Amino acid sequence: AQSVSQHNHHVILSEAASLELGCNYSYGGTVNLFWYVQYPGQHLQLLLKYFSGDPLVKGIKGFEAEFIKSKFSFNLRKPSVQWSDTAEYFCAVRDNAGNMLTFGGGTRLMVKP
Amino acid sequence: DAGVTQSPTHLIKTRGQQVTLRCSPKSGHDTVSWYQQALGQGPQFIFQYYEEEERQRGNFPDRFSGHQFPNYSSELNVNALLLGDSALYLCASRTTGERETQYFGPGTRLLVL
Repeated sequence: AQSVSQHNHHVILSEAASLELGCNYSYGGTVNLFWYVQYPGQHLQLLLKYFSGDPLVKGIKGFEAEFIKSKFSFNLRKPSVQWSDTAEYFCAVRDNAGNMLTFGGGTRLMVKP
Repeated sequence: DAGVTQSPTHLIKTRGQQVTLRCSPKSGHDTVSWYQQALGQGPQFIFQYYEEEERQRGNFPDRFSGHQFPNYSSELNVNALLLGDSALYLCASRTTGERETQYFGPGTRLLVL
């Protein structure tokens, strides 16, 4: 069975600080990896995804993530956060059959202006 | 182009009652998945429907059932409600295919008293 761990439950940063949110997954086969964001009062939106190829993927709003297969990790990064990045971030994995997403517990990010 | 829509937005029920939640997928999508997101947690996969049949099911009891209609819309039914069923219920849709991304609706917030 797949599982996803997000080690940081709450992160507080000041504007312009750099961000890195950790995500580790457990699955023996080929996976697709995702980061979703949930802004306050809004629905889950896709930030970025990795299926294959270049392990460094770029998403919307300046976010990027790096897939490190040997570490089973898919960490999310942003060089300089903004107050509008305040949200909850979810890492998710999907097996190659593509039927279900397994989510981590989420990281709540607060950016202080 | 409308995204994934869900109804109702909020619902209050009492223990033992039954509830039906509805989802209309994004235009062009034929696969619908349902997720339960308890407060402070990541979404958990309930089941997925494709071609009007349940294709995969997560670790949820038989009290949770669903249906997909010929127009690809879907219903989630929960019988004999428990307090622990209080959560945000998310619908996600996608087209069939390994590399397709799921798009989430705004959810239905269910409170069981």
